[in-house]
Amino acid sequence: GQNIDQPTEMTATEGAIVQINCTYQTSGFNGLFWYQQHAGEAPTFLSYNVLDGLEEKGRFSSFLSRSKGYSYLLLKELQMKDSASYLCAVRGAGGYQKVTFGTGTKLQVIP
Amino acid sequence: SAVISQKPSRDICQRGTSLTIQCQVDSQVTMMFWYRQQPGQSLTLIATANQGSEATYESGFVIDKFPISRPNLTFSTLTVSNMSPEDSSIYLCSVEPGANSYEQYFGPGTRLTVT
Repeated sequence: GQNIDQPTEMTATEGAIVQINCTYQTSGFNGLFWYQQHAGEAPTFLSYNVLDGLEEKGRFSSFLSRSKGYSYLLLKELQMKDSASYLCAVRGAGGYQKVTFGTGTKLQVIP
Repeated sequence: SAVISQKPSRDICQRGTSLTIQCQVDSQVTMMFWYRQQPGQSLTLIATANQGSEATYESGFVIDKFPISRPNLTFSTLTVSNMSPEDSSIYLCSVEPGANSYEQYFGPGTRLTVT
């Protein structure tokens, strides 16, 4: 099975940088997703990491360490619109490679 | 990416009735999935909708309660049967567009309230 842990809530200031951590323990691993979900809306895809290292995409970066079962999402130059829940999700191994979601981190950006 | 639509966007239903949710994609996709997101919770996979064969259900979900159809590569339905208030949730369709892409995209969701 999959066990995914991420902080429940975080608060950060507009213009700052915030790092949202995710740790996982899995019976198999084929990749890790980050999604953004605004209240009342569907999740939107942010990133997918398969290999160790940092991947940068504009203001958002995602890091993966497979040996440590650890990932983080880094958000730079925070904007008020970044207030949302951020979901970490792991793709398992074998079969159809089921994706399991963490409970999400609710980020509040304050002025 | 893929553009996904769901109908209805929301509904209020009476206990004991059934509701069928439709998911339409603007292109042929390999994999389609149905998730549930209960209030304040994360997403839970209900089943994988297989084209031309029976859906693959996750632990805790059964075909009698959540029958699924997938007649082609662009369309699927999920029925929530014999509803109870515990079924109040957001139901989301998601897709993986192609064999070489593992990105998963979500439809806008169907907000279901059972009274």
